[in-house]
Formats: sequence, C-alpha cells, structure tokens
Amino acid sequence: DAEITQSPRHKITETGRQVTLACHQTWNHNNMFWYRQDLGHGLRLIHYSYGVQDTNKGEVSDGYSVSRSNTEDLPLTLESAASSQTSVYFCASSAAANYGYTFGSGTRLTVV
Amino acid sequence: AQSVTQLDSQVPVFEEAPVELRCNYSSSVSVYLFWYVQYPNQGLQLLLKYLSGSTLVKGINGFEAEFNKSQTSFHLRKPSVHISDTAEYFCAVSNQAGTALIFGKGTTLSVSS
Repeated sequence: DAEITQSPRHKITETGRQVTLACHQTWNHNNMFWYRQDLGHGLRLIHYSYGVQDTNKGEVSDGYSVSRSNTEDLPLTLESAASSQTSVYFCASSAAANYGYTFGSGTRLTVV
Repeated sequence: AQSVTQLDSQVPVFEEAPVELRCNYSSSVSVYLFWYVQYPNQGLQLLLKYLSGSTLVKGINGFEAEFNKSQTSFHLRKPSVHISDTAEYFCAVSNQAGTALIFGKGTTLSVSS
C-alpha cells in the first residue's frame, strides 16, 4: 500500500545544530508540504513543493529550507536549530488541490 | 489570501449528544473546504470536503458539514457523538487554483459519559 513516512519520530537536538527531518511518500504525488503544529496555533505552513525542483516558502519559513530532487522525498532542514523551533512537524502530500492531503505521523523535535 | 477561524477552541459534550464545531473562512475567490481529525499522537485524517455542488457534505464516522456561502461558514455536525470521537478537529481552506491548505487553530472535542 502507498504511504507517507516521516523519520525520525522523535528527536532531541542542541541549539545551533543543523537538523534534517525526512519525508518519503510512495503515492507518486507531485505536491508535498511541511507544517509545524504548536499549541494554540494549529498547523502553520513552512514550505511546499509542486514538483521536482520546485520549492516555495510558506507562512513560517524563516530558519527552514527544503529541496526536491525527486518525486518521493521532501526533506526539511533546520539550518541552525533554535528553541523556538521545538514543535511537532508534519509532512503531507496530495495529487491535486481538490483531493485533500495525506499526512505522515509527525516528528516531535525538541531543541535544548 | 485565505484565512480560517474556528470559533471554539474546546467543546465538551456528553456521549450521544449532538455536536456542532464552527468554522468561518475568508476568501475573495472560490474555495475548497476541508475538515480533518487528529487523534492523540497521530497525524491528520480527512473527514470530509466541499468542492462544489450540494452544500451538505457527508463524511466518515457519521460527520457532516454544511457550506454556507453567504455566511462564509463550513460548520461540522454529528447528531450523536461517541467517546471515540474525542479528538482535535481542524477546518482548512484552499483556493481552487490549488494553493496550499490554510488551517484553523483547531477545536478540541471532548466526549464524556
């Protein structure tokens, strides 16, 4: 069965370190998205991609970057982790706007 | 740009009671509307969506939502809730050109016996 997987599920890192969160989908979806979820804020869009070599900034992109070298993967990199980036991160994919999104199980990141 | 407001952050109800979770949206263009559910320590799961046509949309687990263009609302309803419906519910909007989903801040539904 097709799926979308995120790794790791949990990570603790130190302030200033570079961290990469992985997202891999086997749906063959062109569209992929990264959100962060914080209490009181719901889900906020970080970056998204509509296809290979395409990336776009979302509402809260500062301090984050993504690259899309193939259809299946959209890794999210925190260039220099900050305590304000402690959050739960969700990756999602979709075939088109009217299909809705399929979400991964999330990565809980703690920056100490 | 689109935005979403979920009018209640927490909704406590008793088992077998009806429930309505309220969502208003703002957009200058035609939109797609979605409701998602998140159970504890899980990702989000699509409950239902409105694309066009009939304003009453039925989803999974007995939920339904009504699109009201004049009120710019998309409220979620269930006539009789179960303990297992306890979860976080998110309303989301995108425009029909396919921009990324914008989510509301969520409503915590707590069902007790």
